Amino acid sequence: NAGVTQTPKFRILKIGQSMTLQCTQDMNHNYMYWYRQDPGMGLKLIYYSVGAGITDKGEVPNGYNVSRSTTEDFPLRLELAAPSQTSVYFCASSYPGQFDSYNEQFFGPGTRLTVL
Amino acid sequence: EDKVVQSPLSLVVHEGDTVTLNCSYEVTNFRSLLWYKQEKKAPTFLFMLTSSGIEKKSGRLSSILDKKELFSILNITATQTGDSAIYLCAVRLIQGAQKLVFGQGTRLTINP
Repeated sequence: NAGVTQTPKFRILKIGQSMTLQCTQDMNHNYMYWYRQDPGMGLKLIYYSVGAGITDKGEVPNGYNVSRSTTEDFPLRLELAAPSQTSVYFCASSYPGQFDSYNEQFFGPGTRLTVL
Repeated sequence: EDKVVQSPLSLVVHEGDTVTLNCSYEVTNFRSLLWYKQEKKAPTFLFMLTSSGIEKKSGRLSSILDKKELFSILNITATQTGDSAIYLCAVRLIQGAQKLVFGQGTRLTINP
């Protein structure tokens, strides 16, 4: 199993450009998440999905869009890149858990995005 | 607003020292608290704590939760250079999809 894979690893964008960050998992996990991590900070949830066709906003969704057409893929779209979106982006996935259980979130290696 | 605060933000110690990392939280609908270790790239899961006063242990690492005072500590004894990393605390909320609210992390550096 490859686990959670993300592409690209690095990207530099100009202000106003658009791009899609790709995320794929091969573990048949229902839940998928996008986080961003700014320098010296923890992770903030951008969007998440509980299954194909279902997405919802996290803490910091402005400036981003997502879609979930398959269980495996959860791309993140930046429409009009701004310097404030310079960050490292992590995708993660997990199985749904029962009320008292927790199924670990598995993280991808991250995409480092710089907007100039 | 749900909030998780870690301290210190940065810590430098010598190999062999014992360190204590702190995590306090103010959230509605608390379900559990998790600790992650982040080296160069993605975070890796260390512990999940749900009940107060029950210590979780894995080798030289241990952690405990106090749900009355709303905090957790992560202890690392006999530190090694390989323990150098960012340690992240996160709170899992009762709402669905196992969403996590992360603290800002503690950057731990172990010098030989």
